[in-house]
Amino acid sequence: AQKITQTQPGMFVQEKEAVTLDCTYDTSDQSYGLFWYKQPSSGEMIFLIYQGSYDEQNATEGRYSLNFQKARKSANLVISASQLGDSAMYFCAMREGRGGGSEKLVFGKGTKLTVNP
Amino acid sequence: NAGVTQTPKFQVLKTGQSMTLQCAQDMNHEYMSWYRQDPGMGLRLIHYSVGAGITDQGEVPNGYNVSRSTTEDFPLRLLSAAPSQTSVYFCASSQRPVGDTYNEQFFGPGTRLTVL
Repeated sequence: AQKITQTQPGMFVQEKEAVTLDCTYDTSDQSYGLFWYKQPSSGEMIFLIYQGSYDEQNATEGRYSLNFQKARKSANLVISASQLGDSAMYFCAMREGRGGGSEKLVFGKGTKLTVNP
Repeated sequence: NAGVTQTPKFQVLKTGQSMTLQCAQDMNHEYMSWYRQDPGMGLRLIHYSVGAGITDQGEVPNGYNVSRSTTEDFPLRLLSAAPSQTSVYFCASSQRPVGDTYNEQFFGPGTRLTVL
């Protein structure tokens, strides 16, 4: 079974609008972390945001926020005020276990976001 | 700081050839990892290391060897390349976390490998 599921292969959004990218995860661990990465067409992996399983508040980083619903095992990425430069692949990833670092990430298959002018 | 560097950027091999993908970081990170990315897929973990002299297998280790003799370097060896190993390879590093805190992984620019 997939540990990270991203059900939207592709998403389109108008510039300046908000968009939500879905991510659900599967784990039996109580301690885990969830990450979102951006991969532009140039290929590099860019860290966006992190949410720990014990964090009570949803993580935010500038225009990025993570809608964390623990009971539903979902960790959706919300991008506000989309910009043309947001067009990229977006990957959700998870680290399982307590005390571990981010060295053993499990990634979803990604969502390709296209921002239209 | 150069961050995480990978060489070469591109490589074409013939089936059965061997080669080493190089990865180095200058941030004194203890944790290093190798991932591969195939079309339509996310990254999959090949091998990882939590410190010099310590390595372990990830999700897709077959056909690859690693060693970690220094903190800075984490080379990935393909002993006998196969077409199924055609992929983009990413190296990443991060600091050892404290408790339940996290530390961001820093990714290298990737190596695009084609095996004919």
